[in-house]
Amino acid sequence: SYEVTQSPSVSVSPGQMARITCSGDELPRRFSYWYQQKSGQAPVLVIYEDKKRPSWIPERFSGSISGTVATLTISGAQMDDEADYYCYSTDSDDNVVFGGGTKLTVL
Amino acid sequence: EGRLQQSGGGFVEPGGSLRLSCAASGFNFTNAWMNWVRQAPGKGLEWVARFKSKADGGAIDYAAPVKGRFTISRDDSRSTLYLQLSSLQTEDTAVYFCTTLSVFWGQGALVIVSS
Repeated sequence: SYEVTQSPSVSVSPGQMARITCSGDELPRRFSYWYQQKSGQAPVLVIYEDKKRPSWIPERFSGSISGTVATLTISGAQMDDEADYYCYSTDSDDNVVFGGGTKLTVL
Repeated sequence: EGRLQQSGGGFVEPGGSLRLSCAASGFNFTNAWMNWVRQAPGKGLEWVARFKSKADGGAIDYAAPVKGRFTISRDDSRSTLYLQLSSLQTEDTAVYFCTTLSVFWGQGALVIVSS
């Protein structure tokens, strides 16, 4: 079955750039989406269709795609950005596939 | 402003059944593709099921681990999504979210399967 893969953790200092990646063979052909999830809360959409940002999400969040790797970039990470981040895409049957999640630590 | 309000959940023994509900308001539920996503304790997000809008064919799809045991349904007249969970196993213990997979997520409902 199709899988998308994320690194388990990323750690940055406040103000630094954080990059979280998601890899999958179908990503050149299918959109990627990114969620932020803080402890005990429902996920919040931060990037959709590879690089579009909802209007309520700060401009420091951006998305990109290069080949089979989608990247969520946080320019100037803040303590409030500390959370789990999940990517998802779809397989050839249009079923949803989540990555395993990346824990972002800002310290 | 749109929202999804969930009800249901609770404690059930292995082999038992439970129904989750998700009432939508503030957005066009009839045209929305609705999903259930779950999260086991300390684990990541796992997609469970999807019900496409009737306008887009109304197809239903399930993740392999729940196929044949869970049933997703919707009542567009009530703007409500359901998930019937049957033949529950301990591995089904999780918080279950209803969601459009875009902006709208329910608050989650905890299902604990244990003897």
